[in-house]
Amino acid sequence: DTAVSQTPKYLVTQMGNDKSIKCEQNLGHDTMYWYKQDSKKFLKIMFSYNNKELIINETVPNRFSPKSPDKAHLNLHINSLELGDSAVYFCASSQDEGMTQYFGPGTRLLVL
Amino acid sequence: KNEVEQSPQNLTAQEGEFITINCSYSVGISALHWLQQHPGGGIVSLFMLSSGKKKHGRLIATINIQEKHSSLHITASHPRDSAVYICAVSPADFGNEKLTFGTGTRLTIIP
Repeated sequence: DTAVSQTPKYLVTQMGNDKSIKCEQNLGHDTMYWYKQDSKKFLKIMFSYNNKELIINETVPNRFSPKSPDKAHLNLHINSLELGDSAVYFCASSQDEGMTQYFGPGTRLLVL
Repeated sequence: KNEVEQSPQNLTAQEGEFITINCSYSVGISALHWLQQHPGGGIVSLFMLSSGKKKHGRLIATINIQEKHSSLHITASHPRDSAVYICAVSPADFGNEKLTFGTGTRLTIIP
């Protein structure tokens, strides 16, 4: 009965590969987010979707493409992975914009 | 300089002590969030507030909009409170969906 789930929890891959991280929330929330936490533990928003529509698209390389097939899912696809993409990626959701956000457990990505 | 600054960066205290973590921000905001990140990495939202004070168990969060400052207090601290506490703000001119994060305060409570 996990509220916000992410898969996989860990992802180790070679430079240049393409990978996806999936996020699902069973809270009935309208808004979902992707955050990146770097090695210094600094969190930064990447994308936000509200009702399957892109709301925020921060200065993120276009190798990162979010996809929201429905309100409960927001997946993150990364093309041509680079060493600097190594980080922990957190998905979150909220009832609506401006409401308390609920975070997933994070996906630790390591690019070799 | 970050738009959101936290102090202290690291805090070690004895069990039972009263803890205060501070957050200052430089932009107009619509809301401020306090988050807790456990040693295992999981993030939990503790509070979202736009004025005054909120209390949940042993945790209290206050905000002074005029001074652009918020504090998170923990009463009767316990080793299980050991975590990184992160302050985040929703800038007023953007909309509530965007959060800007502080760098976090690492709290260690010694038994």
